[in-house]
Amino acid sequence: SQQGEEDPQALSIQEGENATMNCSYKTSINNLQWYRQNSGRGLVHLILIRSNEREKHSGRLRVTLDTSKKSSSLLITASRAADTASYFCATPDTGRRALTFGSGTRLQVQP
Amino acid sequence: DAGVIQSPRHEVTEMGQEVTLRCKPISGHDYLFWYRQTMMRGLELLIYFNNNVPIDDSGMPEDRFSAKMPNASFSTLKIQPSEPRDSAVYFCASSLYGTSRYEQYFGPGTRLTVT
Repeated sequence: SQQGEEDPQALSIQEGENATMNCSYKTSINNLQWYRQNSGRGLVHLILIRSNEREKHSGRLRVTLDTSKKSSSLLITASRAADTASYFCATPDTGRRALTFGSGTRLQVQP
Repeated sequence: DAGVIQSPRHEVTEMGQEVTLRCKPISGHDYLFWYRQTMMRGLELLIYFNNNVPIDDSGMPEDRFSAKMPNASFSTLKIQPSEPRDSAVYFCASSLYGTSRYEQYFGPGTRLTVT
């Protein structure tokens, strides 16, 4: 199965700064998703980008996808303390209706 | 909609005891997934169902683990007997393939501690 690997594992920034997280995967995909997990909570879907899209925006989120490099990035602009969470990329498994999640990036936004 | 509901939220049990985790998916969703999350192994898919039928249980670690989905609104994950290495957060998620493709909706999780 494909697996997304996030980079960096941890990121600490000041409120108002931008945060960029990267994800790499191994095989062809038809979409890639990003999820957020607040401490002690379940994962929440943020955004999905399809393989024929290169960039997608949702509020302060910007996602890019480079299928030639098998990589994606999530940019959070003008970060807030409430953005403190772990962020995961997820890719569909080949031949089955399941997702494989990466190891996640822990983002700490200092007020 | 209330979202995916899991119970209990926390479970502490002794090694050897039976543990049953419960999940109520979002009404109308046709896929249900059970995951386990640990610091060491991250988020692992254990099993998933489509229309109440188990499709892939290759992630179930051992025969001590079993899962059922007797109807569209209820699923259980059972561990018998439990061991300390089963300590983890167990998540249930559901999705509706027809409209949202692979987007999954997660419950709040059950934190299991086996002593």
